[in-house]
Parts: sequence; structure tokens; C-alpha cells
Amino acid sequence: QSALTQPASVSGSPGQSITISCTGTSSDVGGYDYVSWFQQHPDKAPKLMIYDVSNRPSGVSNRFSGSKSGNTASLTISGLQAEDEADYYCNSYTTSSTWVFGGGTKLTVL
Amino acid sequence: QLQLQESGPGLVKPSETLSLTCTVSGASISSSSYYWGWIRQPPGKGLEWIGNIYYSGSTNYSPSLKSRVTISADTSKNQVSLILSSVTAADTAVYYCARRSMGSSRREWGQGTLVIVSS
Repeated sequence: QSALTQPASVSGSPGQSITISCTGTSSDVGGYDYVSWFQQHPDKAPKLMIYDVSNRPSGVSNRFSGSKSGNTASLTISGLQAEDEADYYCNSYTTSSTWVFGGGTKLTVL
Repeated sequence: QLQLQESGPGLVKPSETLSLTCTVSGASISSSSYYWGWIRQPPGKGLEWIGNIYYSGSTNYSPSLKSRVTISADTSKNQVSLILSSVTAADTAVYYCARRSMGSSRREWGQGTLVIVSS
């Protein structure tokens, strides 16, 4: 199974909105609504931001939202803040009953 | 409150076997509501799913690691274990224990433990 495709980096200014894409195939992202997004700050464990495409866990800011169209899932962060600067990973279930991650996207807040 | 605590040797020699334990508190690994698994991250690189186990004992593994991986559960100790055989330097990584909700992609993580493969 191949890793899901994410842009290596994205950037935005405080207050702006950015979107991170996560492209897979009909065997993973396109086939199931089991896509999640994780935020990881340096030397920290990943933190769940979005699960099941668009659900936000309790305690996660509503500035974070998720969506999916076809084989591509997206994470949108609105009203960018300095604390949002981190690595972001998508994760999807696959037809093989396994899970696959994206390569990760480094978000820089300018 | 759920706590996942990974433990095991921080240094393993090439060709030997890596063994890690995840001690779970605040939840029972015998629950039918969750899967318990392992994910790793080589230094400076991305996340890689290793595999998981269900309370019934059924397992799923990454195709790229399947021949070398075993995940097991000890319900008496409420622990989940990872065994990775014939390790090489490429297996150097932070290893995370994680819980995933049944029928969902919702996943919670331990703090991780760094394992270095070196002679």
C-alpha cells in the first residue's frame, strides 16, 4: 500500500485560512469515511484533530474542519494562529483492513 | 482517563528482536469497543501504521512488516505487546501505542518510546 499524498509544506499568515489536501485512491480515502487528521508539534505525540472525515473531538477548536471529495480529503484551518504551526498527517482505512498515513505536511505560520 | 504507557529497551542490536509493552490504564483491553495498536515514526520522518489487535485476538498488520511483526494482548495485565524480529537500522523510530474506537477512525495515542537499533 502506498502512503497517501500530502503537500510537503503549506504556509499562511495569522488570521488567514489554509487547506491541506490528502489524496489517496478508491481503496482507501475514496472508499471509506474513515479519514482522520493529526497535529504534531516537535517532539510531541500526535494529537487527533478530525476523525471520520469531518468530526471534531471535544476540546479541538472549531477553526479546524475536515471534508472529503472523491479520493481526496482536506483539512482546513481558519483564522490561523501561531500555535497552529506544526506537522499535520492524514490517515485512512483501506480495503485490506489496514491503515495508511499521509507523508505529512509542515504548516508554517508566517 | 485513558493512559497508554509504552515501555521496553531503548537500544536493540541489529538482527535481534525488538519487544515493547503498552500498559493501559483507564480502560480495559478486553472491551469490544476498541482496537489496540502500534504506530511508529523514524526520526525526522512520517508516521507508519504497524498493526492492531482486537479483544477477540484477531490482528491486522502492515503488509510491509507482516513477516516480522506480532502484536499480542495480556488481559490479566491489561497490556498490549509488540514484537518485531530481525531489526535493522531502518527500524529505529519512536514507537507509539494507540487506541482506536470500533467503527471509527478516532485514535488516541501514548507518549511514545524511542528505540534505536545499533550495535
